[in-house]
Amino acid sequence: QVQLQESGPGLVKPSQNLSLTCSVSGGSISSGGHYWSWIRQHPGKGLEWIGHIFYSGSPYYNPSLRGRVNISVDTSRNELSLKLSSVTDADTALYYCARGARGTDSWGQGIPVTVSS
Amino acid sequence: DIVLTQSPGTLSLSPGERATLSCRASQSVTRNYLAWYQQKPGQAPRLLIYGASSRATGIPDRFSGSGSGTDFTLTISRLEPEDFAVYYCQQYANSPITFGHGTKVDTK
Repeated sequence: QVQLQESGPGLVKPSQNLSLTCSVSGGSISSGGHYWSWIRQHPGKGLEWIGHIFYSGSPYYNPSLRGRVNISVDTSRNELSLKLSSVTDADTALYYCARGARGTDSWGQGIPVTVSS
Repeated sequence: DIVLTQSPGTLSLSPGERATLSCRASQSVTRNYLAWYQQKPGQAPRLLIYGASSRATGIPDRFSGSGSGTDFTLTISRLEPEDFAVYYCQQYANSPITFGHGTKVDTK
């Protein structure tokens, strides 16, 4: 059973860049048929799709993030990465990495990120 | 973007009762690429239903999904104590993938 674990800084200053990593175990990120996603949840709110990538293809991003987001995979390390630039307090959220195919069937536990000076 | 509207916002029921949750899309969801998730406090969402009506692995058969086009329903036939949670629908047919705002099922 695939497991996902997010890591990265819990605190980021406004205007700086956020970088998160998701380590995938129990399965290969380069196995076909799945896409790898980042999804976030603002405090006490619902879920927001950030974007996803197939290991061999181009990423898809939420237009609401206006070109600030970059998602990539490192197949040698079996990792997924998220980079979000020029963060504001609106980017304070719980960030999940997840695997999808027919729905999003595997989720990490989430990593809380606070944007604050 | 496809906007998903979930109703009701909160559903207050007792264990053993039937829960019916609605998800309405602003435009037709192609190939019924509609999923339902359950989220409990402090936990990641859990996939219940995909393709509008297919149960995910390990999901009890008291959970069922139905609908097509723009109107979808999640039914919990008899609520168990562990079913009190927030439920989200998601469409994954079109980019951007979107979620509804959730229905909270709480204890009457």
